[in-house]
Amino acid sequence: GESVGLHLPTLSVQEGDNSIINCAYSNSASDYFIWYKQESGKGPQFIIDIRSNMDKRQGQRVTVLLNKTVKHLSLQIAATQPGDSAVYFCAEKAGRRALTFGSGTRLQVQP
Amino acid sequence: GAGVSQSPRYKVAKRGQDVALRCDPISGHVSLFWYQQALGQGPEFLTYFQNEAQLDKSGLPSDRFFAERPEGSVSTLKIQRTQQEDSAVYLCASSSNTGNTEAFFGQGTRLTVV
Repeated sequence: GESVGLHLPTLSVQEGDNSIINCAYSNSASDYFIWYKQESGKGPQFIIDIRSNMDKRQGQRVTVLLNKTVKHLSLQIAATQPGDSAVYFCAEKAGRRALTFGSGTRLQVQP
Repeated sequence: GAGVSQSPRYKVAKRGQDVALRCDPISGHVSLFWYQQALGQGPEFLTYFQNEAQLDKSGLPSDRFFAERPEGSVSTLKIQRTQQEDSAVYLCASSSNTGNTEAFFGQGTRLTVV
């Protein structure tokens, strides 16, 4: 299948540890942000989103933090599992424009 | 349908051939997007439809690329006279409205131009 993320920065964590993946965005007009997970040979899969009027949002085992002052987004994954291994992309949206994706981070979970 | 469906899953084309890639969005979804993803890169925006109207085609790399969604449902991305640099995964996504809601992606079509 398709191999995603051959040249991407890699975060390697031990199973059970918490993971933090960071993303810097450039458009100060962006008002909606999504984190996607992409496994090899598959399309991006929605994880969690956040609107610009919030600075934190929690889901199941995941938390997204948004710092609009420095245009920074992070994804925290609690108790990382081998199934979390994938490439993670942040995406931003300004108004009705389409999503713009960041360059991605590969997460490798060591058993 | 249950999700966004794209076909074919894989396509090998000889340089100079025309190709057509199909996207079946989630039923009832108003917005449809096409993205191009090169190996090791994030998806790059190509074009966007709201129902049958193509509202943004600013990401199409050349006039060899053409997309349509004539009845506001299924969409086709056509690439004429394919070149090697067109080799990539072409992703389609749909969302239920035009506002800030998640976009659901298909598995993509991997195009290899030889």
